[in-house]
Amino acid sequence: DAGVTQSPTHLIKTRGQQVTLRCSPKSGHDTVSWYQQALGQGPQFIFQYYEEEERQRGNFPDRFSGHQYPNYSSELNVNALLLGDSALYLCASSLTGTTEAFFGQGTRLTVV
Amino acid sequence: GENVEQHPSTLSVQEGDSAVIKCTYSDSASNYFPWYKQELGKGPQLIIDIRSNVGEKKDQRIAVTLNKTAKHFSLHITETQPEDSAVYFCAASYSPDSSYKLIFGSGTRLLVRP
Repeated sequence: DAGVTQSPTHLIKTRGQQVTLRCSPKSGHDTVSWYQQALGQGPQFIFQYYEEEERQRGNFPDRFSGHQYPNYSSELNVNALLLGDSALYLCASSLTGTTEAFFGQGTRLTVV
Repeated sequence: GENVEQHPSTLSVQEGDSAVIKCTYSDSASNYFPWYKQELGKGPQLIIDIRSNVGEKKDQRIAVTLNKTAKHFSLHITETQPEDSAVYFCAASYSPDSSYKLIFGSGTRLLVRP
């Protein structure tokens, strides 16, 4: 079992550009959550996808959007990148109705 | 709004000593409290968790306690080893719809000196 995998591991983008981050959940998991972790801080919840729909959303602007595919993999899209979007983006997968969430290694996004 | 406070922000202990990290949550409806360990360049790894109907849980050198009345929960690591050095995060979750969104504390950097 490969666990939660994220791609790419590192990414550098220019202010104003758009970015897409990808996540494959742990085998058997059907729910994917995305978190933003700024340097030196705890992860902050962006949103969660289940059955290809956004089930919950944190306090993030509409520039942040996502998608979940029938195979449960997910994408996080960020439009009109700002310098403040630079962070580690973490994907966590779980099985709905259960509590344990397993995280991927993250994608380090740098906006210049 | 929902908030989790975590203390201390940094903790340095001698190898073999115990380490205690404390968290306080604001949402009294929270019913699930996991702890994660994050090593440099890696994602958070679940190390132990506790539910609101349990007061204490142990797993080898790690234990977690929960005081629902005070809305406090703590991580206890005994006989610390250098490989315990990492950043530890507490989190709280309330899930009326089985979604279990996690609210994280700000983290504790633990350094175990050989």
